[in-house]
Amino acid sequence: AQTVTQSQPEMSVQEAETVTLSCTYDTSESDYYLFWYKQPPSRQMILVIRQEAYKQQNATENRFSVNFQKAAKSFSLKISDSQLGDAAMYFCACNNAGNMLTFGGGTRLMVKP
Amino acid sequence: DTEVTQTPKHLVMGMTNKKSLKCEQHMGHRAMYWYKQKAKKPPELMFVYSYEKLSINESVPSRFSPECPNSSLLNLHLHALQPEDSALYLCASSQDPSTVITGETQYFGPGTRLLVL
Repeated sequence: AQTVTQSQPEMSVQEAETVTLSCTYDTSESDYYLFWYKQPPSRQMILVIRQEAYKQQNATENRFSVNFQKAAKSFSLKISDSQLGDAAMYFCACNNAGNMLTFGGGTRLMVKP
Repeated sequence: DTEVTQTPKHLVMGMTNKKSLKCEQHMGHRAMYWYKQKAKKPPELMFVYSYEKLSINESVPSRFSPECPNSSLLNLHLHALQPEDSALYLCASSQDPSTVITGETQYFGPGTRLLVL
């Protein structure tokens, strides 16, 4: 069984600053993928970034990047130059064979103007 | 285009009503999913359809009945629901439901907010 843990229920960041959201996971699979999804108040789950576990290079998407530490089973999300539109719930997720997603409990990010 | 659409956006129903939720994608994806999400919680998987066949049912009560009429459409039929079934219902799709290939990104629709009175 997989587990995904997000230890920060809430985080806040000043606009234009950088924030890091934490995620740890546990899986017995050797082949798996990790995701960060964003869910704004509009409710739609939007893919932020995706990391293949077999790749050592950390994924980046514009202002979003991850710090993937495979041995430590850690997968944190860094948001640079935070914007008001980044305010949302962020879910870390892991999937495995069968493409079943296991979600963490979520982190609510607030962005202060 | 990575769009998954869901209708209706909001639904209010009584415990004796029958209603349906609809999900549609035109990305050629062959796996489709229904999730239930309570407030401030992560989504919980309900059903998975793979090549239009039900492949996973996560012990969901029979008052929820999924249907996949074709590769682009997914319905969730609701009957005799309970107030505790009030939640956001999310549909998602991914390209390849093979159990061998992992890492297929799931794309989510905007959800249907359901209230059962």
